Amino acid sequence: AQTVTQSQPEMSVQEAETVTLSCTYDTSENNYYLFWYKQPPSRQMILVIRQEAYKQQNATENRFSVNFQKAAKSFSLKISDSQLGDTAMYFCAFMNLGVSKLTFGKGITLSVRP
Amino acid sequence: EAEVAQSPRYKITEKSQAVAFWCDPISGHATLYWYRQILGQGPELLVQFQDESVVDDSQLPKDRFSAERLKGVDSTLKIQPAELGDSAMYLCASSRTGGSYNEQFFGPGTRLTVL
Repeated sequence: AQTVTQSQPEMSVQEAETVTLSCTYDTSENNYYLFWYKQPPSRQMILVIRQEAYKQQNATENRFSVNFQKAAKSFSLKISDSQLGDTAMYFCAFMNLGVSKLTFGKGITLSVRP
Repeated sequence: EAEVAQSPRYKITEKSQAVAFWCDPISGHATLYWYRQILGQGPELLVQFQDESVVDDSQLPKDRFSAERLKGVDSTLKIQPAELGDSAMYLCASSRTGGSYNEQFFGPGTRLTVL
């Protein structure tokens, strides 16, 4: 079975600064997807960024980028130029190729200070 | 922009009572998921439907939980009887089917409190 570990329960960052959220996972599979989801207070969860394990290039979406280290089974999210609207819970998640079940980590609460 | 709808948004009930949650997926999404998110945890899949058929219900406590998607569109998740440990956020998600990857879109959730 796959497991996803987010060991930092919460983080805080000053507006306009950069923050990195950590995630490790465990799997015996070779082909899979990794995700970061954002869950703002009282709002629905949305997908921030996706990484395919077979791609060596790290995914980037505007201010969001990942550092995917397949051998180390590490998948961190970097948020540049943090904005107040980035305040939310962030979940790291795993999905096997061909299976649509998501396995989530416990999440991290990110607070952006004005 | 199409969204997943859920109702009610909040539900307070006493233990041993029956509760039901409703989900309407994005139109055209054949796959529907119910997740349970306990406070301070990540969501955990309870049941997955492909059209009206259950694909995965391995984590569904079948002695008290049931889920149906009779016409392959909207879905209902029921708990009977509710227990204190059922207090959680119940999330519904939907996705298209086919291909190697389909993004899951989440609804706003139903927050259940069992007293």
